[in-house]
Amino acid sequence: DAGVIQSPRHEVTEMGQEVTLRCKPISGHNSLFWYRQTMMRGLELLIYFNNNVPIDDSGMPEDRFSAKMPNASFSTLKIQPSEPRDSAVYFCASSLAGTPGELFFGEGSRLTVL
Amino acid sequence: GNSVTQMEGPVTLSEEAFLTINCTYTATGYPSLFWYVQYPGEGLQLLLKATKADDKGSNKGFEATYRKETTSFHLEKGSVQVSDSAVYFCALLSGGYNKLIFGAGTRLAVHP
Repeated sequence: DAGVIQSPRHEVTEMGQEVTLRCKPISGHNSLFWYRQTMMRGLELLIYFNNNVPIDDSGMPEDRFSAKMPNASFSTLKIQPSEPRDSAVYFCASSLAGTPGELFFGEGSRLTVL
Repeated sequence: GNSVTQMEGPVTLSEEAFLTINCTYTATGYPSLFWYVQYPGEGLQLLLKATKADDKGSNKGFEATYRKETTSFHLEKGSVQVSDSAVYFCALLSGGYNKLIFGAGTRLAVHP
């Protein structure tokens, strides 16, 4: 079975450019999470969707970040404009209803903003 | 607020040594507790969990017991292998929904 699929795996861009990260959750999972991982701050939850509806976006750093989930099989995380401090690995994870805390993570998108 | 504290790494062990990675938590009530593992270049994977006091989670030779009295969930393995080299994250389930709070992670390096 396919796991959580993220793209791109690596992205290098220049400051000020728009970045879009994509995620396909596991089929049948109804919760989706975006996390950011850095050496300094560890793993941070950015936003959480349940049944395609954003439930908690309190971790989104600022207005430059936005996330959407137009349907159960696709989500995007957009950064516009990007800044060097956004450089990190961004993980998408999904989980099944009735299994709180049991997340399945993608392999991550490593973003470098020059 | 809710938080998780893990021992700092890296932890360096020889193959077949005994492993303990300490984890303590601060939370209201009795949250479910988890250990996740991250192998190089990969996303996190659930290793084990415990949902109530005195529960023992176990998987792949790893164990952790939910200790309410010491607010701890230490990870143990009796005999580590080189393939266990990874970063280990302790986490608790916070609030009324599906929100995990992770510790900083502990890197384990096992050499032959």
